This record gives sequence, structure tokens and C-alpha cells, in this order.
Amino acid sequence: DAGITQSPRHKVTETGTPVTLRCHQTENHRYMYWYRQDPGHGLRLIHYSYGVKDTDKGEVSDGYSVSRSKTEDFLLTLESATSSQTSVYFCATGASGSRYEQFFGPGTRLTVL
Amino acid sequence: SQELEQSPQSLIVQEGKNLTINCTSSKTLYGLYWYKQKYGEGLIFLMMLQKGGEEKSHEKITAKLDEKKQQSSLHITASQPSHAGIYLCGADKVGAGSYQLTFGKGTKLSVIP
Repeated sequence: DAGITQSPRHKVTETGTPVTLRCHQTENHRYMYWYRQDPGHGLRLIHYSYGVKDTDKGEVSDGYSVSRSKTEDFLLTLESATSSQTSVYFCATGASGSRYEQFFGPGTRLTVL
Repeated sequence: SQELEQSPQSLIVQEGKNLTINCTSSKTLYGLYWYKQKYGEGLIFLMMLQKGGEEKSHEKITAKLDEKKQQSSLHITASQPSHAGIYLCGADKVGAGSYQLTFGKGTKLSVIP
């Protein structure tokens, strides 16, 4: 299994506060992704990265920003958290030349009150 | 945009029974991937199908991509409690780079001992 960790694993915050979620990988995978998973919507891509400092928007990027200053770390920031951003967030990685398989982290459960 | 519809949304079977989960795409599939998610955890890659008519097996799980490449089925033979979880199909997001995937909403499988 790819070594992917997410921190924190659980977080409760208040509306309007900034929140940063961290994804850390030890597999030197080029591609990294942030998804959110919600009942009725399934898994949706927020942002992704195709290299250090190279990022792009996914399907549901409004209200989120990302940064990747090192291969192993991909940060997801909620600039001003809203209740609609209550969700389970998953980080995933993908190796070059292995587009078929993404490795997922354990998830972060975020509650915005 | 491409959509993946999974059926059924949920399934409860007796241990030992066979079952089938379907994934239907609104567009031609160039790559179809099956993942499994245990409750409260991240996704685990099961298998990938690319060619129309292709069939792959992993232990007691068999997946097939139909000839027209717009539907895939996942069949579990002699189900066990360890098969319980959420099964998601994913597909290459047509026209997108960076190995982006689109996912179905998932099928929740419960296996009663």
C-alpha cells in the first residue's frame, strides 16, 4: 500500500474560520488529488496536482485552494469554512504511467458548525 | 460531462449468495476502474478494464466491460462478510489530463452471516 497519511483525521470548526488539511505521501507519486465524499453525490474532485507547484481545479473547487511545495505534501485550505463544506475529505495519489490506480488516504471528517 | 450510474444503490445479501453490481456510463468508456471502500476508510483499487469484452477476476470478484464499452458489471460469487462495503466504479474523465477520474455514487453492499 502507498504510504498516504492525512491530518487531522477529524476536525470540528466554526463557520468563517480557515481550515487546512494536510496530505502526506511517501511513495514519490507525481499526481495528488483532493476529493470530497458526500451522501447522494459520491466522490467529487476538488483540486489536483500534477507536480510540485503545478495544480489545477477539479469539479467542485469553489471555496478551496491548494498548495504543493514538495512532492510529498499536498495541502487543502478552506479559506472561510461554511456548513456546506462539512464532508469527508480524501487525498489520493497516482504514479506516472499508472493512471489506472489511485491510492487513497484514510480520510478526514470535517464538521463546520 | 460523463456520468456514471451505479445500480443498485444498496444491496443486502445472505452469506454465500452471488450478486451483481452494474455501472453504466453516459459516454464510451476508455478505462473503467472498480474500487472498494470499507466503512470509514479510503478506497482500495480492485481492478481495471479497458477493452470491450474484457473480463478480470480477483479472488471471488469478477468484473466485465461490455462490448460497446458503456457498461461494466461486478460479480461476486459466494459472498462473504468480508465483501461488505461500498463499491465504486471510476472512469477516465474524457478530455481531461492528469489522470483524472470520474466516480459513480457507489453501491453499498451488506452481507448477512
